[in-house]
Order: sequence, then structure tokens, then C-alpha cells
Amino acid sequence: KQEVTQIPAALSVPEGENLVLNCSFTDSAIYNLQWFRQDPGKGLTSLLLIQSSQREQTSGRLNASLDKSSGRSTLYIAASQPGDSATYLCAATLTFGSGTQLTVLP
Amino acid sequence: DGGITQSPKYLFRKEGQNVTLSCEQNLNHDAMYWYRQDPGQGLRLIYYSQIVNDFQKGDIAEGYSVSREKKESFPLTVTSAQKNPTAFYLCASSMGPSNTEAFFGQGTRLTVV
Repeated sequence: KQEVTQIPAALSVPEGENLVLNCSFTDSAIYNLQWFRQDPGKGLTSLLLIQSSQREQTSGRLNASLDKSSGRSTLYIAASQPGDSATYLCAATLTFGSGTQLTVLP
Repeated sequence: DGGITQSPKYLFRKEGQNVTLSCEQNLNHDAMYWYRQDPGQGLRLIYYSQIVNDFQKGDIAEGYSVSREKKESFPLTVTSAQKNPTAFYLCASSMGPSNTEAFFGQGTRLTVV
């Protein structure tokens, strides 16, 4: 059974810093890896989708990478802003990790 | 606007009652999903449907039931058999099964009183 882990559970950084969120999964036989953002009490907003045949995807200040052989994905956020504060969840073929709660301090 | 609509946003239920959560999508997606989220935890799959009139159990289906009579709609019933129903429920849809981007509704917070 697929298990997805996100470390750290919480992260606090000053505004302007570049940061990396980590996601690991136990079964490399995945269709895709998707990163989401969740604001308190809200649904999930899709950020980036990486198909199993791809290595990375970029959208604005966000870059996500996928290494199936090692069971890892990273989400890189450049020049962080207070508005980036949220919980970030990764999902390996719709099996979810528990998320990283990010706080960007002004 | 295309998207997924969940209603109601907040729902209160007395113990022993069944309640039904609504999920409607106008994205013309074939696949739909129901997840449960507890505080500080990730999402756990309750049920999913890849096509009309067909659905499968997820990891935590006990105490829940679904139907998929229309492509646009995938209601979830929380039955009295669900021992701990208080949670945040999220509905999602995708174009196809598993290998396409999933989109989520805004969720329904269910509280048992």
C-alpha cells in the first residue's frame, strides 16, 4: 500500500527566502505526483502536476521535481511571500501526505 | 464558471442520523472522489467513481455510502454506522482515472452534536 510522507510538518521562514518542501512515497509505480495548497478551512488548490514520465514542472515561482527511482518529490518556492503561507500537500496518484504547514514571516 | 460545488459548507448532525453531502461538477469529468480530512492529517479516500453507475470503496468506506446516477453528481451519505463522523469532507474530480489532474471543491465540515 502506498504511503506518502512529508517532512517537515511545519516550517517558518522570513519573507524573501527560497525554500524546499519534501515529499517521499514508498511505491514508485505511480501515475503522477501532484502538489496542492490548502488554506485554513478551505479546499485544495492544485499547484503542479508531474506525470510519471516527467522530471519536473514549473509555474511562476514554483518548481516541482520528481525522482521515481528514489521515491521523492520536492517543491521549490522562490522568493517566498507572506501570501504563500498555507499547508502544502503532495499526492502520489491521489494518495496524500499529511502536509507541510508553511508560515512566511513579513 | 467551471468547477466543483460542495454543499452545505457546514453541517450539524445528531447522533444516530444519516446525512447526505452534495458534490456537483460541471467540468465534464468522468472520475469523482470523496476524501475525509481530520485535523493535522492528510486526506483519506472514502469512495471513488470512474464512471456513471459504478463506484469502488476506498481506504475508509465503512459507515459511508455513495451513488453515481449522473456524471455531474456524486453524493456521499454518512450513515449512523460511522462511529466518528466529525471531520472535513472533500470532493474531487478528474478527467480520467488516476493519471490526470484532480480538482477539489471547498469542502463540507460535518459536526456531530
